[in-house]
Amino acid sequence: QSALTQPASVSGSPGQSITISCTGTDNDVGGYKFVSWYQQHPGQAPKLMIYDVSNRPSGISNRFSGSRSDNTASLTISGLQAEDEAVYYCSSYASGGLWLFGGGTELTVL
Amino acid sequence: EVQLVESGGGLVQPGGSLRLSCATSGFIFSEYWMSWVRQAPGKGLEWLANIKEDGSEKNYVESVKGRFTISRDNAKNSLYLQMNSLRAEDTAVYYCLYKMDVWGKGTTVTVSS
Repeated sequence: QSALTQPASVSGSPGQSITISCTGTDNDVGGYKFVSWYQQHPGQAPKLMIYDVSNRPSGISNRFSGSRSDNTASLTISGLQAEDEAVYYCSSYASGGLWLFGGGTELTVL
Repeated sequence: EVQLVESGGGLVQPGGSLRLSCATSGFIFSEYWMSWVRQAPGKGLEWLANIKEDGSEKNYVESVKGRFTISRDNAKNSLYLQMNSLRAEDTAVYYCLYKMDVWGKGTTVTVSS
């Protein structure tokens, strides 16, 4: 199983919106509703931001939203804030009971 | 509040073994799948293994099959990862996960002579 494909980096100015893509196959992203997004700040453990493609855990800002089209999932952050600067990872359940992660996308708030 | 506390990391020589533990609280441990994920220094996340609620089903990423064994003790609300034949590339922070949702703070494993 190969890792999911994410852009290495994205950037945006405060207040703007950005979208991070996560591309897989029919056997993972496109085949199951179990796509999650995590935020990781330096030196910290990852934190769940979106689960099951588009659901937000309690306490996560509604500025974060998730979606999926075919084999590509997306994380959109609206109203960018300085504190959103972090690395974002997608993950997906895959056939055979495995889980896959994307390579991570570094978000820079300009 | 769900809490996951990993332990057992440290410095080990190539070819050596280490057993990681994850003590859990705040949820009914015996009712959920659990996973281990690692992150090598400066690198991304790598899912390693998961285990079914009763321990009857286990899945592993290809890179650790035959070397790592995931297990659990539902009476102790604890998850384990037995790591054998360790290599330099196994150097990483190892995280315990509840439902792929909640992460522990991790324990660091360094494989070096």
